[in-house]
Amino acid sequence: DSGVTQTPKHLITATGQRVTLRCSPRSGDLSVYWYQQSLDQGLQFLIQYYNGEERAKGNILERFSAQQFPDLHSELNLSSLELGDSALYFCASSVTGVPYEQYFGPGTRLTVT
Amino acid sequence: AQSVTQLDSHVSVSEGTPVLLRCNYSSSYSPSLFWYVQHPNKGLQLLLKYTSAATLVKGINGFEAEFKKSETSFHLTKPSAHMSDAAEYFCVVSEANTGRRALTFGSGTRLQVQP
Repeated sequence: DSGVTQTPKHLITATGQRVTLRCSPRSGDLSVYWYQQSLDQGLQFLIQYYNGEERAKGNILERFSAQQFPDLHSELNLSSLELGDSALYFCASSVTGVPYEQYFGPGTRLTVT
Repeated sequence: AQSVTQLDSHVSVSEGTPVLLRCNYSSSYSPSLFWYVQHPNKGLQLLLKYTSAATLVKGINGFEAEFKKSETSFHLTKPSAHMSDAAEYFCVVSEANTGRRALTFGSGTRLQVQP
């Protein structure tokens, strides 16, 4: 158990809908990262937050957004969902000062029908 | 930009025989390199990391990796495979010196262990 929690575990929704994925980092970790894992694209970095501020953006679509709250949990919002958004979404967290070591949550499997 | 290439998409070994999973990286800076493992329907677990200290890195579950700058490689090895090692393995490089702590993942190597 990495100490990173993600909810829900599974999510099934229809095209055009909007969903929110939630992540709680390990105790003491200030950075949260979101990744998408799909069969055709592999594991891709989406976005990073550090202590409530956006730090870096990767291959995140405009339909997707995220935020990190004062208690450091994070939410990833996916809107106008398409079939191709079906994937595993992982959250990871890290401690400032630990060189780039990240701990991953168990993931949320999103299925868009 | 940094990148990582895993040279084998699938590796099959017999239980008790050595494991070698190959990884080459490309980096403009001194990289930090990692191996992560993902068991079916599970999240990713850190196996080991290289962060410019000793070039031979020992990880969990008997895995090791050696950083070879001249060959730009970071291959993962284990002397004797166990059935529980069957999983997907990812070689990962970080974007050092940019302040950005995102990871760039290789495409993964699926390890099969035959009884």
